[in-house]
Amino acid sequence: AQSVSQHNHHVILSEAASLELGCNYSYGGTVNLFWYVQYPGQHLQLLLKYFSGDPLVKGIKGFEAEFIKSKFSFNLRKPSVQWSDTAEYFCAVNIGYNQGGKLIFGQGTELSVKP
Amino acid sequence: ETGVTQTPRHLVMGMTNKKSLKCEQHLGHNAMYWYKQSAKKPLELMFVYSLEERVENNSVPSRFSPECPNSSHLFLHLHTLQPEDSALYLCASSQESGYEQYFGPGTRLTVT
Repeated sequence: AQSVSQHNHHVILSEAASLELGCNYSYGGTVNLFWYVQYPGQHLQLLLKYFSGDPLVKGIKGFEAEFIKSKFSFNLRKPSVQWSDTAEYFCAVNIGYNQGGKLIFGQGTELSVKP
Repeated sequence: ETGVTQTPRHLVMGMTNKKSLKCEQHLGHNAMYWYKQSAKKPLELMFVYSLEERVENNSVPSRFSPECPNSSHLFLHLHTLQPEDSALYLCASSQESGYEQYFGPGTRLTVT
């Protein structure tokens, strides 16, 4: 069955540290890829997306992600985190999108940034 | 109102009650979704509607019954729920199924 795996359940960083959150998916066909963020007490928001083209995509708030097709990965990065980045981050993969699509989420990574 | 709204935001119901969750999207989208978010588990897709037609029913128990009267509104009718159904229920919409989804704030449901 198709699945999305996020390697880290909880990451704790100090401000200005670099961030990389791993995401791997299991599906051999064409996919659309997303990262969503859920700040405390707020709803899920789209951080960035990849449909096609340049595998390095930039999102809001200085985040970026790189799609590596051979590794079935879509890791999220930020060179210098801020306290306000404390949130839960979800990787999601849309499989079979040209047949209607089904968004599969990873289990989420909780990021805590210490001031 | 902008984006995706959900009402109520919190709901406590007994196992014999009948209640409904409401979702409204103000984005002109054609696809709407219900998800279940439980602690420490990935979001679970429950239902997908595209152009008011249900295109996905992800093995959800019949005590959950969706309704999509038009492309802007989506309901989730609940009856004879179990305590394990307590969770955050999220509604989302997208331009078409397969595109990025926009989420509402969710309804926190507690079944007693």
